[in-house]
Amino acid sequence: QQQVKQSPQSLIVQKGGISIINCAYENTAFDYFPWYQQFPGKGPALLIAIRPDVSEKKEGRFTISFNKSAKQFSLHIMDSQPGDSATYFCAATNTGNQFYFGTGTSLTVIP
Amino acid sequence: SAVISQKPSRDICQRGTSLTIQCQVDSQVTMMFWYRQQPGQSLTLIATANQGSEATYESGFVIDKFPISRPNLTFSTLTVSNMSPEDSSIYLCSVEGGVKGATDTQYFGPGTRLTVL
Repeated sequence: QQQVKQSPQSLIVQKGGISIINCAYENTAFDYFPWYQQFPGKGPALLIAIRPDVSEKKEGRFTISFNKSAKQFSLHIMDSQPGDSATYFCAATNTGNQFYFGTGTSLTVIP
Repeated sequence: SAVISQKPSRDICQRGTSLTIQCQVDSQVTMMFWYRQQPGQSLTLIATANQGSEATYESGFVIDKFPISRPNLTFSTLTVSNMSPEDSSIYLCSVEGGVKGATDTQYFGPGTRLTVL
């Protein structure tokens, strides 16, 4: 059973546009929701993370929106740049337990 | 955040052989994790390695195939034994960082890209 469902599988955005990636989860015990960015040939790198006590977290051009009642969270990349082209993974966990990763979204930003 | 290195970065191996992957962390950590990432796929947890105890394996992974060592708080190895082409994958080491006792994020090494012929 997929603990975290991620969509879309791939995304193509024009430079300057907004990239939106969505994730949904079932386990209401999850209390930490990170997003990872992975470039080809590299390990995943933590991009931004949120806890369920807030509905939004923003760091630069990256924003997480969190909807606790819907059990959904999303990553918004504002003013997308070609350098943002990478694979993005959402994840969810609760304290001391396993991380569950989404299936990944391949983002391509066209100049 | 912890700085994690892995060796080798990539390798091409023959069927039936074994490869040991090393993971080194620049600080002491309690829990280390080994993941597999098949081409174009998500991350699948193989096992959790705590220093001083046997590794805990996830469903579908067994110690005979993926023996793990954790001799100290900064180092771990994962061996892929009796390899077949289906073992071709990226193997990633990760650690938890942050405040002890809180839900911490995981930090990943650069990965080892394994190709089995």
